[in-house]
Amino acid sequence: DAKTTQPNSMESNEEEPVHLPCNHSTISGTDYIHWYRQLPSQGPEYVIHGLTSNVNNRMASLAIAEDRKSSTLILHRATLRDAAVYYCILSYGFRDDKIIFGKGTRLHILP
Amino acid sequence: GAGVSQTPSNKVTEKGKYVELRCDPISGHTALYWYRQSLGQGPEFLIYFQGTGAADDSGLPNDRFFAVRPEGSVSTLKIQRTERGDSAVYLCASSRNRGGANVLTFGAGSRLTVL
Repeated sequence: DAKTTQPNSMESNEEEPVHLPCNHSTISGTDYIHWYRQLPSQGPEYVIHGLTSNVNNRMASLAIAEDRKSSTLILHRATLRDAAVYYCILSYGFRDDKIIFGKGTRLHILP
Repeated sequence: GAGVSQTPSNKVTEKGKYVELRCDPISGHTALYWYRQSLGQGPEFLIYFQGTGAADDSGLPNDRFFAVRPEGSVSTLKIQRTERGDSAVYLCASSRNRGGANVLTFGAGSRLTVL
């Protein structure tokens, strides 16, 4: 399984942008980059995914490096409700594939 | 249904007992996944189904753990002779899984405590 590396924890101030990094140097050409987050006492929830191009949705933006060996999840204006563990995951795109979670980044939002 | 439903939400049992955890996926989702999560850790993959068959059960820790999905919808995770180390939150997820990106929707989990 392709692996990702994320910082254990990060802090950000409320109402400021947050950039969550992820390294995936062994990514293959058909691996999708997924981000999930897990709020306290809840199951993980899907945030965003991408293959090669940057992606935007109502929750966040995903910036993918040109060589695809790293990516950054961008929360444009963090709120206290964004405090969660964020997981960066690779998934093979052309067949059924299990999703393997690492330890993720615990994001703390300071009021 | 609107989301993935898991029952029970909490289960307390004694060491050595048998436990069943149920997952009702989103209607029309062909793939179903089971994970378990210990405190402070990320979800650990156990098994996933494509339709009625187990496509990958490589994460099941030992033969005390078994899962079924007889009609391709509801799934049951079965744990025999429970041990204290089985205490965790058991998460279920489902996806349409029609190729391309595989986006999972998770349930709230079943918290199992083995005394």
